[in-house]
Amino acid sequence: SQQGEEDPQALSIQEGENATMNCSYKTSINNLQWYRQNSGRGLVHLILIRSNEREKHSGRLRVTLDTSKKSSSLLITASRAADTASYFCATDALTGTASKLTFGTGTRLQVTL
Amino acid sequence: GAGVSQSPRYKVAKRGQDVALRCDPISGHVSLFWYQQALGQGPEFLTYFQNEAQLDKSGLPSDRFFAERPEGSVSTLKIQRTQQEDSAVYLCASTGHHYEQYFGPGTRLTVT
Repeated sequence: SQQGEEDPQALSIQEGENATMNCSYKTSINNLQWYRQNSGRGLVHLILIRSNEREKHSGRLRVTLDTSKKSSSLLITASRAADTASYFCATDALTGTASKLTFGTGTRLQVTL
Repeated sequence: GAGVSQSPRYKVAKRGQDVALRCDPISGHVSLFWYQQALGQGPEFLTYFQNEAQLDKSGLPSDRFFAERPEGSVSTLKIQRTQQEDSAVYLCASTGHHYEQYFGPGTRLTVT
């Protein structure tokens, strides 16, 4: 079963605009990660935020985490056509020495010229 | 270096056939995961290996699904007597000692 939901399900913006995606989850987490998936491809890791962190930046990406509300947001600034993809948040649960991921339902982002 | 590779990329099977999906993880990665992704959904966990040991198979949907990693590197996901509801993209991921997982391109299975 999916851990959480993402909002919106689909987002269409113009190049140069900012894109914000939200993720809600259900159980306590160790970390929350964001992944990108281009059509027909595997997932690519974007950024990880730990449960004791509130905000993290990586290039044009900004992630926030609110554990009291069990929610996270991903902001992509100055979007480009190449950012067109589906974006998934994923929470982890320890299994053995690694963490299995539980993904949200995804936001499909379309960036037009 | 090479990433995670999966084969075949596409597989069409008639209902009732057995299929075998292969995953070659990044060399040296101890942990290997299999996920199932239905159309328009996020991936869902199937099973996890640490080296050759299958430590978690709680996500396998039925006893028709079987996974192995006999030498701690290449892994095979086998589905017996395929059903239409098995149609999905099967993703493999590997990781070293960090939380970030490296995904392969997936195998798209279509059961007709």
